[in-house]
Amino acid sequence: AQKITQTQPGMFVQEKEAVTLDCTYDTSDPSYGLFWYKQPSSGEMIFLIYQGSYDQQNATEGRYSLNFQKARKSANLVISASQLGDSAMYFCAMRERGDFGNEKLTFGTGTRLTIIP
Amino acid sequence: NAGVTQTPKFRVLKTGQSMTLLCAQDMNHEYMYWYRQDPGMGLRLIHYSVGEGTTAKGEVPDGYNVSRLKKQNFLLGLESAAPSQTSVYFCASSPRLAKNIQYFGAGTRLSVL
Repeated sequence: AQKITQTQPGMFVQEKEAVTLDCTYDTSDPSYGLFWYKQPSSGEMIFLIYQGSYDQQNATEGRYSLNFQKARKSANLVISASQLGDSAMYFCAMRERGDFGNEKLTFGTGTRLTIIP
Repeated sequence: NAGVTQTPKFRVLKTGQSMTLLCAQDMNHEYMYWYRQDPGMGLRLIHYSVGEGTTAKGEVPDGYNVSRLKKQNFLLGLESAAPSQTSVYFCASSPRLAKNIQYFGAGTRLSVL
């Protein structure tokens, strides 16, 4: 089974509308973390938001919020009032403990978001 | 404030050649990581380090070696490059007390012919 699944390869959204990017995950580790990163066309990876598995509230960072539904194993990114500069690839990722106590970091395949003026 | 710096930015190798990618961070971070990114795929962790002198394997470590002799530097080596190692390589670092926030370098585009 895929550890991180992003089912939307591409999305087109009108400027100023809200956007939800889907992410589902699979893990048996009770202690894990979920992240979203943005990768603009320039190529750099930019950290957006983090949610810990034990966090009671959904994480928020400015216009970004993470809709964490633990029972459904989903961690969707919500961008409010989208802007042209939000056009980029977005990656969902998970940190969990590996088989030998090491770190396991898994990224999804990404969603390309295009904001239409 | 440089953050995470990767050198070189681009490189073309012939099959069988060796090379070392350098990652340097000036944020005094304990954790450092090497990823590769291939078309249509997310990032895959190659190796990582939780501190000076320590390294560990990630998801796709075969064909790569790493060293962390100094806290600020994390080197990724390819001893005998193969076309399958054509990729974009990213280095990242994170502080121990906030390890869930990774700071990435700009990437190195490597082609192996």
